[in-house]
Amino acid sequence: DTAVSQTPKYLVTQMGNDKSIKCEQNLGHDTMYWYKQDSKKFLKIMFSYNNKELIINETVPNRFSPKSPDKAHLNLHINSLELGDSAVYFCASSYWALKDIQYFGAGTRLSVL
Amino acid sequence: TQLLEQSPQFLSIQEGENLTVYCNSSSVFSSLQWYRQEPGEGPVLLVTVVTGGEVKKLKRLTFQFGDARKDSSLHITAAQPGDTGLYLCIYTGTASKLTFGTGTRLQVTL
Repeated sequence: DTAVSQTPKYLVTQMGNDKSIKCEQNLGHDTMYWYKQDSKKFLKIMFSYNNKELIINETVPNRFSPKSPDKAHLNLHINSLELGDSAVYFCASSYWALKDIQYFGAGTRLSVL
Repeated sequence: TQLLEQSPQFLSIQEGENLTVYCNSSSVFSSLQWYRQEPGEGPVLLVTVVTGGEVKKLKRLTFQFGDARKDSSLHITAAQPGDTGLYLCIYTGTASKLTFGTGTRLQVTL
């Protein structure tokens, strides 16, 4: 069983569309994250949630809205997609007390045309 | 913003060679982690170093934390094609925020 699973793995869409990426973890972790990896492979945190509460909200456009229906899920909705949103988005999870041990999903490659 | 500079950025070597990747910062860290990311996958934790001067071994990989806890190195002995990937040093700050290094892309060929 995959510990942290993201769907879809690939997402190709037109500028201006709205899209969602889903993430689920079956590790019993209480903290989940969204990261963005640009074309130069640089990873940067976007959001983190602990027990469904927003903990970190980096300087991310309002078009990005995370939603955590429960501790095991953290979804990312993106409105009015722009070309610059093209990247690989990674979901991760951990125990709050062991934040340096994070388990990552396989990533969602988003291409905005 | 604390920065983690890694060197080299790219490394292409042949199977059997040894290599060292460096992670440097001007800041002192309580701990550093090393992750490896294979193509098409997410990063996977390799090791955490906590104590200044600490050395940890993971099969052919040797990780060292600098005495001043500002830098770390990863040495791979007798590299294999399976070692190919992106190596990231990472610092976990407050509120669970990970700060990623600039990354080292390693390619090991037969």
